[in-house]
Amino acid sequence: AQSVSQHNHHVILSEAASLELGCNYSYGGTVNLFWYVQYPGQHLQLLLKYFSGDPLVKGIKGFEAEFIKSKFSFNLRKPSVQWSDTAEYFCAVTSYNNNDMRFGAGTRLTVKP
Amino acid sequence: GAVVSQHPSWVICKSGTSVKIECRSLDFQATTMFWYRQFPKQSLMLMATSNEGSKATYEQGVEKDKFLINHASLTLSTLTVTSAHPEDSSFYICSARNGETNTGELFFGEGSRLTVL
Repeated sequence: AQSVSQHNHHVILSEAASLELGCNYSYGGTVNLFWYVQYPGQHLQLLLKYFSGDPLVKGIKGFEAEFIKSKFSFNLRKPSVQWSDTAEYFCAVTSYNNNDMRFGAGTRLTVKP
Repeated sequence: GAVVSQHPSWVICKSGTSVKIECRSLDFQATTMFWYRQFPKQSLMLMATSNEGSKATYEQGVEKDKFLINHASLTLSTLTVTSAHPEDSSFYICSARNGETNTGELFFGEGSRLTVL
């Protein structure tokens, strides 16, 4: 079964700083990749997803992620974070036939105003 | 957008009782629903995959007799925690896949916080 690793458990940034959250997956076949965000007290929301095509994916709220197949990575980036980006971020993967979704451990992002 | 609703959002029960959590897809048909468990400051752990009209598929280590899952219709799946104990206290989250569009995206419910005294 596929697995997902997120390297950063807690990231603290000041507003306007750039963000990059690491995500690596382990799976031998074709995968679909996702980043979800969970704001305090709210449910998970999809930020962006990659199925195929352009490996640079743009999502909502200025987030983007790049799929690098050779590195089995799907890192999330944002050039300038805002206080409102404070949340928990989860990387997730499903196999090509879209069976169960596996999540990384999550990265808590705290943005200081 | 697709909406998934869970009920109740929080529940407190005594040890030994059973608790049922409902998960509904409000504006789409969900052929597949997933149940996750999230411990504080940890990730979502997949418990089981529920397909409409068939038995749920449980992940290794999840007791199927303790966590009963029913997916009787295309818009409703239920998770029943039987004979709950304090160690079952957790945040339970359901998600659903739109069987009509099948974009691969999962839509998540708000979660249900269970506290067993």
